[in-house]
Amino acid sequence: QVQLVESGGGVVQPGRSLRLSCAASGFIFSTYGMHWVRQAPGKGLQWVAAISYDGSKTYFADSVKGLLSISRDNSKDTVYLELNSLRVDDTAVFYCARGRAPAGYLGLDVWGQGTTVTVSS
Amino acid sequence: DIVMTQSPLSLPVTPGESASISCRSSQSLLHSDGNNHLDWYLQKSGQSPHLLIYVGSNRASGVPDRFSGSGSGTDFTLKITRVEAEDVGVYYCMQTLQTPYTFGQGTKLEI
Repeated sequence: QVQLVESGGGVVQPGRSLRLSCAASGFIFSTYGMHWVRQAPGKGLQWVAAISYDGSKTYFADSVKGLLSISRDNSKDTVYLELNSLRVDDTAVFYCARGRAPAGYLGLDVWGQGTTVTVSS
Repeated sequence: DIVMTQSPLSLPVTPGESASISCRSSQSLLHSDGNNHLDWYLQKSGQSPHLLIYVGSNRASGVPDRFSGSGSGTDFTLKITRVEAEDVGVYYCMQTLQTPYTFGQGTKLEI
């Protein structure tokens, strides 16, 4: 069963950091690009970052450049999102999603259930 | 960044009728590969988004053929024929021509 499971969310104080994880199963993780998408409470979807299948290329939304980093460990079938200098308006649900396949781009075709980050003092 | 604009933002429909959602981009999404790099996603209440259409008009696995994507360049449409109660949710278009990928504001489909 193809699955993505996010973890690492929680309540964190402004200015602190947090690392989110997304564990993949049911497919050859090392051959897919991976993405993170966030959704603030009551708001729409915002694409935030992506990483190539081998980790050699990373991409970020302009609004988060320098504030977060994305990485992956293909030996653990896991992609990470590190959030730094968190602000109250970073409060959101963070989803990971499967991206570019070996056969080419077929959409963000698998999504996790999301992990909630709440930034509050 | 490419700006995506959806309309309408709210769409009341009657079961059995058809519904159309428009998505416009601030620049052409037609790639040199001949494909329009535009996806459609549906997020039902309390759930994660899921893929409906990729690269303009390709239905994702398991998506009913009541859903179809069309358009080219800067103007795209998601059409749902014979709307069912289970189609309720927020529909998003997203451009994948260049990073940063960007979503439209979302269109809430209501029965």
